[in-house]
Amino acid sequence: QLQLQESGPGLVKPSETLSLTCTVSRGSISTSNYYWGWIRQPPGKGLEWIGSVYYSGSTYYNPSLKSRVTISVDTSKNQFSLNLSSVTAADTAVYFCARDFVRGVMAYLDYWGQGTLVTVSS
Amino acid sequence: SSELTQDPAVSVALGQKVRITCQGDSLRNYFASWYQQKPGQAPVLVIFSKNNRPSGIPDRFSGSTSRDTASLTIAGAQAEDEADYYCYSRDSSGDHVVFGGGTKLTVL
Repeated sequence: QLQLQESGPGLVKPSETLSLTCTVSRGSISTSNYYWGWIRQPPGKGLEWIGSVYYSGSTYYNPSLKSRVTISVDTSKNQFSLNLSSVTAADTAVYFCARDFVRGVMAYLDYWGQGTLVTVSS
Repeated sequence: SSELTQDPAVSVALGQKVRITCQGDSLRNYFASWYQQKPGQAPVLVIFSKNNRPSGIPDRFSGSTSRDTASLTIAGAQAEDEADYYCYSRDSSGDHVVFGGGTKLTVL
């Protein structure tokens, strides 16, 4: 079945850019009707949707993070990526990637990566 | 604050039925999906598109919606159901998605 795996630095300095990649295996990222999303969870807190990208490159972002977020896709590598700029300690969280179905009245995330902890600290 | 509101904590006796709710105006127009998350693990989809279960999810899990409230019901809660539960749906604009704040379920 489909597998997703996050990768990237576990430590980022304040004011720098957090960059993560999600590699999709056992399935194609170029699948109709599915976006590919990023979700984060600060230690001890709830889930927050960051944004999602379609294989065509179309994106939609959480309005509260939109000014700092870029999500892109590389279909040749079956990967999608997250860049979050100007990070602060408040961006310390476990970051998950997931397959995101959003169509009509439905929205759900059916496959998830295991998550990766990113700490913002000097 | 989230546009989807959940009770922070709910408890249930072993083997009893429990309902976890998620309230938000967008739920009048959009279905919620539900996720179970155990400590140190990624969330797992348990209900989608109002009342559909992914393969491998026990049939004691069910979903429903009434007006602006979506519910996740566990009929006969088991010890392994103790976890955090999150709802997820489009927001009131319909242009984005949002999680509820989460409910910690304790099985007594």
